Amino acid sequence: AQSVTQLDSQVPVFEEAPVELRCNYSSSVSVYLFWYVQYPNQGLQLLLKYLSGSTLVKGINGFEAEFNKSQTSFHLRKPSVHISDTAEYFCAVSDLSGNQFYFGTGTSLTVIP
Amino acid sequence: DTAVSQTPKYLVTQMGNDKSIKCEQNLGHDTMYWYKQDSKKFLKIMFSYNNKELIINETVPNRFSPKSPDKAHLNLHINSLELGDSAVYFCASSQDPARIYEQYFGPGTRLTVT
Repeated sequence: AQSVTQLDSQVPVFEEAPVELRCNYSSSVSVYLFWYVQYPNQGLQLLLKYLSGSTLVKGINGFEAEFNKSQTSFHLRKPSVHISDTAEYFCAVSDLSGNQFYFGTGTSLTVIP
Repeated sequence: DTAVSQTPKYLVTQMGNDKSIKCEQNLGHDTMYWYKQDSKKFLKIMFSYNNKELIINETVPNRFSPKSPDKAHLNLHINSLELGDSAVYFCASSQDPARIYEQYFGPGTRLTVT
């Protein structure tokens, strides 16, 4: 089975500052990795995904993530955050069939004006 | 047009009651899901249906019973509600089970059991 850990439950950051949200996973098989965003009182939206190929993945809203197999990590980054980025961010891991799909516990990003 | 819709948006009920949450998707997807998000924002898959057939059934109490009358609908019925059932329930859909990561989520139903 797979699992995913988000070490930071809350991350406050000033507007226009860079941010990194950390995600580590464990799995005995090959995996796909994802980041989702949940704005207040809404469902989740896919931000970006790693399936194969380049380990640096670019997503929507200026976010990117890097798959590091040796460190089993998939950290999310943005060079300059906006107020509108305030949301809950979930890392997720899946086996290649999609039958095993797990979310992390989420990181609450708060952008401070 | 709403891609994945859920009704009701809010549901307040007493312990012991039976309630249902409805979900509909107009995306033409084959696969639908129910998730539970607890007060700590932890999100866990409960069920998944593909073409009206159950394919994922995580460990949830058998008081929870999903029903899929057709592939555009997946309803969740909960019997004998308990305080611990209070949560936000999300419905989602994807084109097929392998593309679970490209699932579209509904707006959620906030269930409060008193």
